Amino acid sequence: GAGVSQSPRYKVAKRGQDVALRCDPISGHVSLFWYQQALGQGPEFLTYFQNEAQLDKSGLPSDRFFAERPEGSVSTLKIQRTQQEDSAVYLCASSLNSGRLETQYFGPGTRLLVL
Amino acid sequence: GENVEQHPSTLSVQEGDSAVIKCTYSDSASNYFPWYKQELGKRPQLIIDIRSNVGEKKDQRIAVTLNKTAKHFSLHITETQPEDSAVYFCAASRGTGANNLFFGTGTRLTVIP
Repeated sequence: GAGVSQSPRYKVAKRGQDVALRCDPISGHVSLFWYQQALGQGPEFLTYFQNEAQLDKSGLPSDRFFAERPEGSVSTLKIQRTQQEDSAVYLCASSLNSGRLETQYFGPGTRLLVL
Repeated sequence: GENVEQHPSTLSVQEGDSAVIKCTYSDSASNYFPWYKQELGKRPQLIIDIRSNVGEKKDQRIAVTLNKTAKHFSLHITETQPEDSAVYFCAASRGTGANNLFFGTGTRLTVIP
């Protein structure tokens, strides 16, 4: 079946612009995660949804970052007033249930470059 | 919070040789340890995972070992092939509440034909 998809794949923004990144998880997956991957680093956790509920947003680096999943499927990560340090690959992952040991399946990521 | 360290950062092996990547973690509550392979510009792909109730797991040329007492786990790839060349990430899940993953910094494996 279809895997996790993300759009756009690439985004160039001028500093100060707002951006919106979309994630389509695997159909039926309850849990959805956003990660930020800086160049040459491992992914770092941003936020977690169980269905439409955002249960953990402890990894969001500032109040310029906002995520939502209003109907429990598609999720959007919004970054307001982008800064150069926001340049990274933003990865979305989903898992079937909310159990502790569930496998996470990753999307291809959105590569954000802030000029 | 959890802290995962991974070594080495780069690894070059001759085709057919074995490769070993090691990770340590800090949170004794972590009980799920996946390994992901990421090719340049591609998504991380799960290659193998281990849960804390077992000490070793093998899938063809890939094996993972876990030592919960020492809080370290390792990835072993035998009979390496050029297509194994990629960046490998270990990760740990705290296992309470949200099961978000804490990743190591990655190992760039190059298999020389």
